[in-house]
Amino acid sequence: EVRLVESGGGLVQSGGSLRLSCAASGFIVDSDYMIWVRQAPGRGLECASVLYPGGSTNYLHSVKGRFTISRDTSKNMLFLQINSLRVEDTAVYYCVRGYDGDVWGQGTTVTVSS
Amino acid sequence: VVMTQSPLSLPVTLGQPASISCWSSQSLVYSDGNTYLNWFQQRPGQSPGRLIYNVSSRDSGVPDRFSGSGSGTDFTLKISRVEAEDVGTYYCLQSTGWPYTFGQGTRLEIK
Repeated sequence: EVRLVESGGGLVQSGGSLRLSCAASGFIVDSDYMIWVRQAPGRGLECASVLYPGGSTNYLHSVKGRFTISRDTSKNMLFLQINSLRVEDTAVYYCVRGYDGDVWGQGTTVTVSS
Repeated sequence: VVMTQSPLSLPVTLGQPASISCWSSQSLVYSDGNTYLNWFQQRPGQSPGRLIYNVSSRDSGVPDRFSGSGSGTDFTLKISRVEAEDVGTYYCLQSTGWPYTFGQGTRLEIK
């Protein structure tokens, strides 16, 4: 069964850092596009970062320079390092497989206080 | 690419059809000839789940009352007969070019 399980969210002060993790099972993380999608409270969905199978990355303009997406193929995991957190980064962060979003995790909640 | 959905709220009587429109600010036809337009359902308190990919291909396990259509910049998700389990918010997603972008969402409720 293909599955994604996120962890690492929490309550952090503005300016702080967090590292989100996503454990994948049923497939290999470097075989497909992997995306972090976020959903602010009561808001819609936003693609924050993508890691392509070849290893290159891309970021939403508003997070560039603060977010870093990476993977560990030995552990079959995806990560999102978030630095210089802002109140507007408060959201549920989902780990998603594929550019077409065929598999989603349950999400991990990041809350940034001022 | 800006994705615009309509309506944002959709009250529907059980057993009646429903239709959600999604427009893109530019063509979603990629250089390989494919159109990367997808539809998702997010039930209350749950993660989104994909219903439709590449405009009109239905995911395994998705009831055939759901269908997708469209081309270029104009797309539609249709539910032939709404059931109670269809309550939730529906999003379109373009993955033709980064940043991949979602529509604002359409909240479907039962009248």
